[in-house]
Amino acid sequence: GNSVTQMEGPVTLSEEAFLTINCTYTATGYPSLFWYVQYPGEGLQLLLKATKADDKGSNKGFEATYRKETTSFHLEKGSVQVSDSAVYFCALSRVGSQGNLIFGKGTKLSVKP
Amino acid sequence: GAGVSQSPRYKVAKRGQDVALRCDPISGHVSLFWYQQALGQGPEFLTYFQNEAQLDKSGLPSDRFFAERPEGSVSTLKIQRTQQEDSAVYLCASSLDRSLGDEQFFGPGTRLTVL
Repeated sequence: GNSVTQMEGPVTLSEEAFLTINCTYTATGYPSLFWYVQYPGEGLQLLLKATKADDKGSNKGFEATYRKETTSFHLEKGSVQVSDSAVYFCALSRVGSQGNLIFGKGTKLSVKP
Repeated sequence: GAGVSQSPRYKVAKRGQDVALRCDPISGHVSLFWYQQALGQGPEFLTYFQNEAQLDKSGLPSDRFFAERPEGSVSTLKIQRTQQEDSAVYLCASSLDRSLGDEQFFGPGTRLTVL
């Protein structure tokens, strides 16, 4: 079946540290891949997406590359800020569906000043 | 409003009560999704509407769950005879159309607690 596995948190980093949150997926065909973010007290927001292999999604200094050969979509940021503290969800939109998303369990990131 | 709104934001129900959760999608958005998010988990798909048509209800956990979108805009998720395992945050999302890469805009959710 279709599923998403992301690294478990919580992840605690100091400001300006490098961030990687691993995400791998299982799917038939070529799904679209997404990272959503949930800031404290707010709803889920799309952070970035990639719709085909080798695409790189980027936003707010975050990047993720759709790697078909490793079925991965790892989230990276070169220098995190306190304001990046949030829960990050990796998700896929499976081929043949109406676009409903399958989410990972989420990774909580805390950035300390 | 500019975003997806949901009401109520919080709902406490006694076991066995019926509840109704409302979602107001972004105006003009064709697609509407409901998700259930248990504590510490990612959201899980419940059901999907394209305009007023419910095209996929494969994620509804039991026949106690029912959703409707009669005029293709506002949607209601109804849970009959609530059980403790129904306690979760219920999220509504809408998107402009149903292409796979289309962004879904999420509401703030309704946190349901069943006592």
